[in-house]
Amino acid sequence: AQKITQTQPGMFVQEKEAVTLDCTYDTSDPSYGLFWYKQPSSGEMIFLIYQGSYDQQNATEGRYSLNFQKARKSANLVISASQLGDSAMYFCAMREGRYNQGGKLIFGQGTELSVKP
Amino acid sequence: EAQVTQNPRYLITVTGKKLTVTCSQNMNHEYMSWYRQDPGLGLRQIYYSMNVEATDKGDVPEGYKVSRKEKRNFPLILESPSPNQTSLYFCASSFVAGAIDTQYFGPGTRLTVL
Repeated sequence: AQKITQTQPGMFVQEKEAVTLDCTYDTSDPSYGLFWYKQPSSGEMIFLIYQGSYDQQNATEGRYSLNFQKARKSANLVISASQLGDSAMYFCAMREGRYNQGGKLIFGQGTELSVKP
Repeated sequence: EAQVTQNPRYLITVTGKKLTVTCSQNMNHEYMSWYRQDPGLGLRQIYYSMNVEATDKGDVPEGYKVSRKEKRNFPLILESPSPNQTSLYFCASSFVAGAIDTQYFGPGTRLTVL
């Protein structure tokens, strides 16, 4: 069974609009972390935002926010005021267990976002 | 500049010819990992290391070897590459700060095995 599911292979958004990228996860471990990474066409992986399973508030980093719904096991990424430079592949990832377990991440399949001018 | 470096960035080789992809980080991170990225599958972990001389298998370790003799280096070895190992490979390192273990990725190595 997929532990991280991103159901949107590709999405389009108009420049300056907000967009939500979906991510659902599956784990029985009460301690876990959720990450979002951006991969532009140049190929590098860029860390965007992190949410811990015990964090009470949704994480935010500039234009990025994470809509964390623990009971639904979802961790959607919201990008506000999209820019052309946001066009990229976006990956959701999960680390099961506590943060000092060696750094194994489980990735989703990715969502390709295209921002239209 | 804090970074993870990989070499080579691009490699075309033939089946059975042993190769090594190097990975080095200058951030004194304890944890290092290797991932492969294939279309539609996201990234999958090959091996990871929690410290010097401490390595363990990830989800897809078959056909790969690693070693961690120094904290900064974590080479990936393909003893006898096969075409199904054609992929984009990422090395990553991480540390723990405030209960967050953010992984920092290298630029990637695109490997083609003919």
